[in-house]
Amino acid sequence: DAGVIQSPRHEVTEMGQEVTLRCKPISGHNSLFWYRQTMMRGLELLIYFNNNVPIDDSGMPEDRFSAKMPNASFSTLKIQPSEPRDSAVYFCASSLNYPPTGELFFGEGSRLTVL
Amino acid sequence: GENVEQHPSTLSVQEGDSAVIKCTYSDSASNYFPWYKQELGKGPQLIIDIRSNVGEKKDQRIAVTLNKTAKHFSLHITETQPEDSAVYFCAATLNNAGNMLTFGGGTRLMVKP
Repeated sequence: DAGVIQSPRHEVTEMGQEVTLRCKPISGHNSLFWYRQTMMRGLELLIYFNNNVPIDDSGMPEDRFSAKMPNASFSTLKIQPSEPRDSAVYFCASSLNYPPTGELFFGEGSRLTVL
Repeated sequence: GENVEQHPSTLSVQEGDSAVIKCTYSDSASNYFPWYKQELGKGPQLIIDIRSNVGEKKDQRIAVTLNKTAKHFSLHITETQPEDSAVYFCAATLNNAGNMLTFGGGTRLMVKP
């Protein structure tokens, strides 16, 4: 079975450019989460959706970050304009339940480097 | 301050020895405590979890214990093998985070052959 699929796996861009990260959750899962992982701050929850509706975006660091989930099988995380401090690995995860009192299934991550 | 604290941040053991990683949490209403393993270049993967109505759970070489009174839980890996080398994260559902999972800072486990 296909797991959570993220793209791109790696992105290198210059400061000021727009970055779009993509995620396809596991079919049938009704909750989707975006996490950011850095050495300094560990795994941080940025935003999560339930049935395609954003529930809590309080973890989004700034207005430069936005996320959408137009349908049950696709979500995007956009950074515009990007800055060097946005460099991190961004994970998408999905789960069958909300709140997720069961397993979170993570994708393999998108490693972003902003020069 | 951090709501889920994890120790140690790094742990090196000899193959065959046991490894123990400990976490504390702040919310007495927390009721779900999973452990995730993250291998290099991969996303975290659930390896074991425990709910607040039990004190211990075991799955082959891994076990988790929970002390709700003290608000701490631990991961125990016995007979460690080189493939156990990874970063391990504990997590807890926290009421002040909308019952969402909050992760500890991670423990890098190195098992030396």
